Amino acid sequence: SQTIHQWPATLVQPVGSPLSLECTVEGTSNPNLYWYRQAAGRGLQLLFYSVGIGQISSEVPQNLSASRPQDRQFILSSKKLLLSDSGFYLCAWDLQRGTDTQYFGPGTRLTVL
Amino acid sequence: AQKVTQAQTEISVVEKEDVTLDCVYETRDTTYYLFWYKQPPSGELVFLIRRNSFDEQNEISGRYSWNFQKSTSSFNFTITASQVVDSAVYFCALHIIQGAQKLVFGQGTRLTINP
Repeated sequence: SQTIHQWPATLVQPVGSPLSLECTVEGTSNPNLYWYRQAAGRGLQLLFYSVGIGQISSEVPQNLSASRPQDRQFILSSKKLLLSDSGFYLCAWDLQRGTDTQYFGPGTRLTVL
Repeated sequence: AQKVTQAQTEISVVEKEDVTLDCVYETRDTTYYLFWYKQPPSGELVFLIRRNSFDEQNEISGRYSWNFQKSTSSFNFTITASQVVDSAVYFCALHIIQGAQKLVFGQGTRLTINP
């Protein structure tokens, strides 16, 4: 069966510091991968998605970036965090076979102080 | 434009009551998919159901049921005989096909079941 991991689970970072969040999927090959952000008390916003290694599409202009160095690894980064980057970050995957269900990881709660 | 509206921000009921969560969507696509996810306090989104636009049959899964009506662009979710463990934020989402498979989420409904 497929499993999706995210780490760290929680993170507290000062403004201006770098960020690296990691997501890995097990038990499947060539998935689509997604990064979402959920601000406090709000819905989910798609940040990035990837259909393959090195292929990244950005949905929202911001100081975040994403990379996919391996088939089942998706990384969310920032060179300098802003207060507004605080939130709950969720990684998701689905299969590239037409319409499929997205499954989500456990999430990373980021607080920027 | 693709949009999902969950007008109920918060709902609070007493255990064993039935409760319905509303979801209204907008899309110009003739083929689309609708989803419901549950987000318990732990934060992880748990998939509940997927429904395609060609299947308007209502679905029941235990205490959960879903009513899909294309005529009113609604996909409502009912919990029968609610339990405290049903307390969570529930999200309705619309799937759109633009490159990868994108989900457009509603703002969510926070459901609290009181003992």
